[in-house]
Amino acid sequence: DAMVIQNPRYQVTQFGKPVTLSCSQTLNHNVMYWYQQKSSQAPKLLFHYYDKDFNNEADTPDNFQSRRPNTSFCFLDIRSPGLGDAAMYLCATSRDRAGGRYEQFFGPGTRLTVL
Amino acid sequence: DAKTTQPNSMESNEEEPVHLPCNHSTISGTDYIHWYRQLPSQGPEYVIHGLTSNVNNRMASLAIAEDRKSSTLILHRATLRDAAVYYCILSLGSNYQLIWGAGTKLIIKP
Repeated sequence: DAMVIQNPRYQVTQFGKPVTLSCSQTLNHNVMYWYQQKSSQAPKLLFHYYDKDFNNEADTPDNFQSRRPNTSFCFLDIRSPGLGDAAMYLCATSRDRAGGRYEQFFGPGTRLTVL
Repeated sequence: DAKTTQPNSMESNEEEPVHLPCNHSTISGTDYIHWYRQLPSQGPEYVIHGLTSNVNNRMASLAIAEDRKSSTLILHRATLRDAAVYYCILSLGSNYQLIWGAGTKLIIKP
């Protein structure tokens, strides 16, 4: 089945130690998104790629960066994780982004713990 | 600013219909109404979306008010597997953004 895969499902890192989360998709979608979700809150968009075009949300901290080496893969890099970065990180894809018509397909998420 | 408002939680009995309301009084003419649900420890799952007309799919129905300022997600026969947080979302027609509501936690009683 076509899907969105996130690895690892659980990640533990130390305060200040860089960490990379990965996402892959078999849907061949143009758009890939990264969300942060904290407990009992709705997901918050960090950034997205429309093909190779990177789009950062205005309030996303500089500590968060992303790479998309090809259509299938996208990475979230947290350069110096703080305790406040502990959260579920969700990757999503959509066929296109324009006009509100397209649903997003989410991966299972990576739960990040910062010690 | 676009915004959606949902009840924090709702309870329903198994095998009965469930009506989940959402208010979006600031909706613009080109904004789509999306519903997603999220089971514990999983990513959100698309349920249904619509613009003006009522919509049906295998999972649910979406009833949209004539003025589009509110909508209702209808689960026709709830099962225990439908227990989840249901998010009402505006997908802005002007750009790519999704405006998420706070979500309604649906509790299904056997």
